Amino acid sequence: SQTIHQWPATLVQPVGSPLSLECTVEGTSNPNLYWYRQAAGRGLQLLFYSVGIGQISSEVPQNLSASRPQDRQFILSSKKLLLSDSGFYLCAWSGPGHSGNTIYFGEGSWLTVV
Amino acid sequence: QQQVKQSPQSLIVQKGGISIINCAYENTAFDYFPWYQQFPGKGPALLIAIRPDVSEKKEGRFTISFNKSAKQFSLHIMDSQPGDSATYFCAGPSGTYKYIFGTGTRLKVLA
Repeated sequence: SQTIHQWPATLVQPVGSPLSLECTVEGTSNPNLYWYRQAAGRGLQLLFYSVGIGQISSEVPQNLSASRPQDRQFILSSKKLLLSDSGFYLCAWSGPGHSGNTIYFGEGSWLTVV
Repeated sequence: QQQVKQSPQSLIVQKGGISIINCAYENTAFDYFPWYQQFPGKGPALLIAIRPDVSEKKEGRFTISFNKSAKQFSLHIMDSQPGDSATYFCAGPSGTYKYIFGTGTRLKVLA
């Protein structure tokens, strides 16, 4: 069966510090990978998605970047965090190919920028 | 960007009652209509989904109703329980690889 792992689960970072959130998927090949952000009590905002190694599409201009160095690894990064980067970050995957496949989420990472 | 409009924003239901959440979409090319359930501090999990070739799908106490002509689909939770208290999201495909989500409905079931 497929599983998705996301870490760290919680982190508190000062303004201006770097960020690295990691996500790996097991039990599938060539998944579509996604990073979403959820502000407290709000909906899900798509940040990045990837359909293959090295292929990253950005949805929202911002202070963050994403990379996919391996087929089942997706990384969210920032060089300098802003207060507005605080939120709940969710990695997700779906089967390869076009949308219409179920999307599965990780457990999320709580980021607080202070 | 294609929208998925979800209502109500919040819902309070007595234990044993029926919870109904609605979702309206714009893109007539949508071919998959999932509902997700999210508990506080957790990632959303797929609850139930429907494809447009059927008008209704039932899994236990959860039912999706789909109205293609109205471009709407809804989630019905029968015999609502306190354990159903969570945030519910509808979603739809947007473009070739993406999903967009509704703004969420916060359901509280009173014991």
